[in-house]
Amino acid sequence: ETGVTQTPRHLVMGMTNKKSLKCEQHLGHNAMYWYKQSAKKPLELMFVYNFKEQTENNSVPSRFSPECPNSSHLFLHLHTLQPEDSALYLCASSYNRGQDGYTFGSGTRLTVV
Amino acid sequence: AQSVSQHNHHVILSEAASLELGCNYSYGGTVNLFWYVQYPGQHLQLLLKYFSGDPLVKGIKGFEAEFIKSKFSFNLRKPSVQWSDTAEYFCAVFNDYKLSFGAGTTVTVRA
Repeated sequence: ETGVTQTPRHLVMGMTNKKSLKCEQHLGHNAMYWYKQSAKKPLELMFVYNFKEQTENNSVPSRFSPECPNSSHLFLHLHTLQPEDSALYLCASSYNRGQDGYTFGSGTRLTVV
Repeated sequence: AQSVSQHNHHVILSEAASLELGCNYSYGGTVNLFWYVQYPGQHLQLLLKYFSGDPLVKGIKGFEAEFIKSKFSFNLRKPSVQWSDTAEYFCAVFNDYKLSFGAGTTVTVRA
């Protein structure tokens, strides 16, 4: 275990469903991130939260809605997704702004049908 | 915006062979450099990192990387690979408060 826990590990959802991904870290980090990992593409940074304030939204479609109630928890709310949104969604956390590197969770494998 | 290029998509080699994975980045200022590894079904793990000082850095599991500032490169090496090194390897560059990743290189080591 990395100290960053993501649930669920796998999720299959229809295009009209609403679901949420959860990320939790017990490392005392103050910054949290959502990345999208698709095959043969660089990891795409989606959102950044620093001290539970959103500091980056990397032109992510509004069907993805993040929530960070505190520095230890991060959610990604999903609604009316498209099949091309199927990917591995990774959560990460770091101290400060991340210059020492990030600690990643194991990810949620999302399949949109 | 930072761009990170990894030259090889898939590398196949035999045990005991030497491995070198290329990584180049675009930003010319001060950067922190990382190599991460993702074993099948597992999370991304930090292999090694470079912030400053000796441009040859050593990481876990016998990996090392060399920072060449003039070439904007941070290549990963291992003198003798093992079957357990089969994984996907990602180069990452931190600047402007963001960690940018390359597309990854899949390394398959045949016994």
